[in-house]
Amino acid sequence: GAGVSQSPSNKVTEKGKDVELRCDPISGHTALYWYRQSLGQGLEFLIYFQGNSAPDKSGLPSDRFSAERTGGSVSTLTIQRTQQEDSAVYLCASSLGTGPNQPQHFGDGTRLSIL
Amino acid sequence: AQSVAQPEDQVNVAEGNPLTVKCTYSVSGNPYLFWYVQYPNRGLQFLLKYITGDNLVKGSYGFEAEFNKSQTSFHLKKPSALVSDSALYFCAVREYSGNTPLVFGKGTRLSVIA
Repeated sequence: GAGVSQSPSNKVTEKGKDVELRCDPISGHTALYWYRQSLGQGLEFLIYFQGNSAPDKSGLPSDRFSAERTGGSVSTLTIQRTQQEDSAVYLCASSLGTGPNQPQHFGDGTRLSIL
Repeated sequence: AQSVAQPEDQVNVAEGNPLTVKCTYSVSGNPYLFWYVQYPNRGLQFLLKYITGDNLVKGSYGFEAEFNKSQTSFHLKKPSALVSDSALYFCAVREYSGNTPLVFGKGTRLSVIA
């Protein structure tokens, strides 16, 4: 596609519910990244994929968070038993590879609000 | 561990004046440095990067940044600010080797006043 696509753009849900966020990267990009952006906190790295494997899961804040990627393309980030502190904008990015000089291209994010 | 500091939460500048958004970094090896811009309700857009070579890097929309190894800085600059430059700017760093994630600063909000 022309750019990184994320859905839904907004999600409001009740505390305790599970949510699934989707990211469709730029076609041909092998690397995919998830970040969380909280007000005044900058971007927090969550996880990245090279192909379908996730070499670095160190940023996932708790075991309620999980992510998968299938077919080297679409990725889903799942948050189980959501808490109010999970409210944030979740950003996905993709790049041609994981080489350190590769710029990452971002989607517009999913704004998650936990009531 | 890598880290990035953007010491100013907010920068105000008059339209037509030069602007500077500051960034300092800390890495154990050689850095890859990036600037991104974020407009309201949008993702981050890549502006420019420093990999190696010339210390002055030119990027999109007339922005440039100067890499200063001795001061571990990578300040973003533009000779003449536009109202449309008003946005949130993020500096990011990655170490030269290894698959380390990008580490972002907390962002600086730039307001250009007409």
